[in-house]
Amino acid sequence: GAGVSQSPRYKVAKRGQDVALRCDPISGHVSLFWYQQALGQGPEFLTYFQNEAQLDKSGLPSDRFFAERPEGSVSTLKIQRTQQEDSAVYLCASSTGTGGGQPQHFGDGTRLSIL
Amino acid sequence: GNSVTQMEGPVTLSEEAFLTINCTYTATGYPSLFWYVQYPGEGLQLLLKATKADDKGSNKGFEATYRKETTSFHLEKGSVQVSDSAVYFCALRGGTGGGNKLTFGTGTQLKVEL
Repeated sequence: GAGVSQSPRYKVAKRGQDVALRCDPISGHVSLFWYQQALGQGPEFLTYFQNEAQLDKSGLPSDRFFAERPEGSVSTLKIQRTQQEDSAVYLCASSTGTGGGQPQHFGDGTRLSIL
Repeated sequence: GNSVTQMEGPVTLSEEAFLTINCTYTATGYPSLFWYVQYPGEGLQLLLKATKADDKGSNKGFEATYRKETTSFHLEKGSVQVSDSAVYFCALRGGTGGGNKLTFGTGTQLKVEL
């Protein structure tokens, strides 16, 4: 079966531009997560959806970051007025349920470079 | 809040050597613990997990035991191969107030040479 799919794989934008990153989770997965991974670091949590409800957005670094999952499947992470410090790999993960032991399945990520 | 500390890399070993990558965590309650692996050019893959104290997770010859008394989840493999070269991330999920998100360590790069 298909895994988590993210697009685009690479995105280059000029400082100040808006970007949108897409995540297609594994079909039927209830939970969806976004993480940000800086070079040489572990992923850091951004936000979490259970179906279409955004239950935790405590990791979003500023109000320039916005995520949605309107139909409980595909999700989009939008960054407005990008800054150089937004350069990172953005990872999406999904899992079947909400239990703590449920593994999260990751996509290959979108590498964002802000010039 | 929750946190994970891993030994710094890179770790360089000869093929067939014994591997240990140390991981300790800070969390209250009973989190689940995970090891993820990231091969060059690929995404994060779940390697193994343990959901309660004294559980041992194992996969592909790798093992890790959930030690609540030492708050540790060290990754071990008896005989590494060149194909094990990758970055390994220790992570936890849950515990008291931890929610559903994963908290990762900074990763340990493993290089295995012939």
